[in-house]
Amino acid sequence: DAGITQSPRYKITETGRQVTLMCHQTWSHSYMFWYRQDLGHGLRLIYYSAAADITDKGEVPDGYVVSRSKTENFPLTLESATRSQTSVYFCASSESTAGYGYTFGSGTRLTVV
Amino acid sequence: GQQLNQSPQSMFIQEGEDVSMNCTSSSIFNTWLWYKQDPGEGPVLLIALYKAGELTSNGRLTAQFGITRKDSFLNISASIPSDVGIYFCAGQLLRDDKIIFGKGTRLHILP
Repeated sequence: DAGITQSPRYKITETGRQVTLMCHQTWSHSYMFWYRQDLGHGLRLIYYSAAADITDKGEVPDGYVVSRSKTENFPLTLESATRSQTSVYFCASSESTAGYGYTFGSGTRLTVV
Repeated sequence: GQQLNQSPQSMFIQEGEDVSMNCTSSSIFNTWLWYKQDPGEGPVLLIALYKAGELTSNGRLTAQFGITRKDSFLNISASIPSDVGIYFCAGQLLRDDKIIFGKGTRLHILP
């Protein structure tokens, strides 16, 4: 199916564990983004990528790692999960410049206990 | 960092009422976007604005790109129950390859 998919949809993990959130898009969009959504903060950019093998930090990158070896995939890894990383995570992609707007995935709800 | 001030933070209205929300900033934007997020889903693009003064409609929704390029407005006419959700404004700054989001307006519709 065409689109942008995130997995898993829900995840519970323990403090200190490594966890990876997956994002896959079928449009060959150049740009991909990871956001976290928390009450009172809206959507905050964690990392973004303008193309394969090109990534850059956003507003809240600490504690996260990304990679983009293929255009269609943009995984987000929490190297050692903390409770403050409990959040809803959204992946998004864009076909060229950000001015065209982003297409978002359905999100991953992550709980760190 | 750059900020978008979105207001109101939440709204409680009766079905059939019109709704207005806005976004302001101290910075100049070359694109304004409005998204809606339904519960349990990701945001979906409603309207994109590219020129100062531009007024664009999408059904019952109308959005405007402010003349100063520092603000934008979204109006919803004759609200219906499916309008419930969170509305986000977003803007792209000049010479930037990403957009920034407001904190959202949560719309509640009373029966």
